[in-house]
Amino acid sequence: QSALTQPASVSGSPGQSITISCTGTSSDVGGYNYVSWYQQHPGKAPKLMIYEVSNRPSGVPDRFSGSKSGNTASLTISGLQAEDEADYYCSSYTSSSTGVFGGGTKLTVL
Amino acid sequence: QVQLVQSGAEVKKPGASVKVSCKASGYTFTGYYMHWVRQAPGQGLEWMGRINPNSGGTNYAQKFQGRVTMTRDTSISTAYMELSRLRSDDTAVYYCARDLHPYGDYGSLDYWGQGTLVTVSS
Repeated sequence: QSALTQPASVSGSPGQSITISCTGTSSDVGGYNYVSWYQQHPGKAPKLMIYEVSNRPSGVPDRFSGSKSGNTASLTISGLQAEDEADYYCSSYTSSSTGVFGGGTKLTVL
Repeated sequence: QVQLVQSGAEVKKPGASVKVSCKASGYTFTGYYMHWVRQAPGQGLEWMGRINPNSGGTNYAQKFQGRVTMTRDTSISTAYMELSRLRSDDTAVYYCARDLHPYGDYGSLDYWGQGTLVTVSS
């Protein structure tokens, strides 16, 4: 199972919006609505930000939103804040009943 | 509150095995699948596999088939991940993480352990 494809880095200024893409195949992202997004700050465990494509766990700001079209899922962060600077990973359920992560995207808040 | 507490850091020689534990509290251990994810230094997250604590059933990533064994002890609400025939590129932080939905197995991981650093070096 190959890793999902994410851009290595994205950046934006405070208050702006950014979008991170996550591209897979019809055997993972495109085949199931089980795409999740995680935020990871240096030295910390990942934190679930979005599950099942577009659902936010309790406590996650509504500035974070998710969507999917075909084999590509997207995470959008609006009203960027300094504390959003982190690494972001997508993941998906697969047709083999396994999981797969994306390679990660480093978000820089300018 | 839900907590996953992992065992401490390990240093192993190439060819050896390591067993990492993950003690759960604050919820019904048998009601939620437990996944294992690793992260090599400076690298991304890698899904290793998961165990159904209720039945003991497992599913492993193809990459680790034959080298990884996930087990659990329901009497002490603890999951284990054992990796054998260690190589230097197995050096990583290993995390346990709980699936979000009761009896769900779709990889939405809502609670994570603190991570266990396993260093493989001769």
